[in-house]
Amino acid sequence: GAVVSQHPSRVICKSGTSVKIECRSLDFQATTMFWYRQFPKQSLMLMATSNEGSKATYEQGVEKDKFLINHASLTLSTLTVTSAHPEDSSFYICSARNGQGDGYTFGSGTRLTVV
Amino acid sequence: GQNIDQPTEMTATEGAIVQINCTYQTSGFNGLFWYQQHAGEAPTFLSYNVLDGLEEKGRFSSFLSRSKGYSYLLLKELQMKDSASYLCAVRDWKGGYQKVTFGTGTKLQVIP
Repeated sequence: GAVVSQHPSRVICKSGTSVKIECRSLDFQATTMFWYRQFPKQSLMLMATSNEGSKATYEQGVEKDKFLINHASLTLSTLTVTSAHPEDSSFYICSARNGQGDGYTFGSGTRLTVV
Repeated sequence: GQNIDQPTEMTATEGAIVQINCTYQTSGFNGLFWYQQHAGEAPTFLSYNVLDGLEEKGRFSSFLSRSKGYSYLLLKELQMKDSASYLCAVRDWKGGYQKVTFGTGTKLQVIP
């Protein structure tokens, strides 16, 4: 149980275009989802906290107009990278509290390459 | 904010025991997690501590001292497949919402 499905797993897009990443909790309800970014050989950096039915909370330095987060239901949160640039190329990953004790489940991650 | 420190790299021998330390500074502490991450993959949950003491789970144990802002992950009977990055993460409550912040990770190499 407690699976978070994230897709796409890999995406290559042209500079200036937008990319949407979806995270879906399959067998539990996730009122809160966390979005992280991980650059090569670095740890996960929290970008924002996605709250169902309300605005996301962004970390300092993360542009909310560039990284649009929508958490319209208890099982789905999306991150849209708008007007992508090569420096946005990274590994994006979501996680949600899975309701099993204090565990958090991660999605499988999305490798974004902007060319 | 939070300041989470862990060693960047460690090397240990197959069959041995290794201890990975993590220190943190935060207010509103509400738990510490350890995750394992293989290159290019998502992190997988290893352990969770919210009270002081040792939590044991098979070959893996995790210890927490809240007063010292200190935790360690102990791996016993090391196997080659244990070569991975180990991430320490701290959860805290700020302004009514929870946040989980990760340390930079410790890359463990297990050698024969």
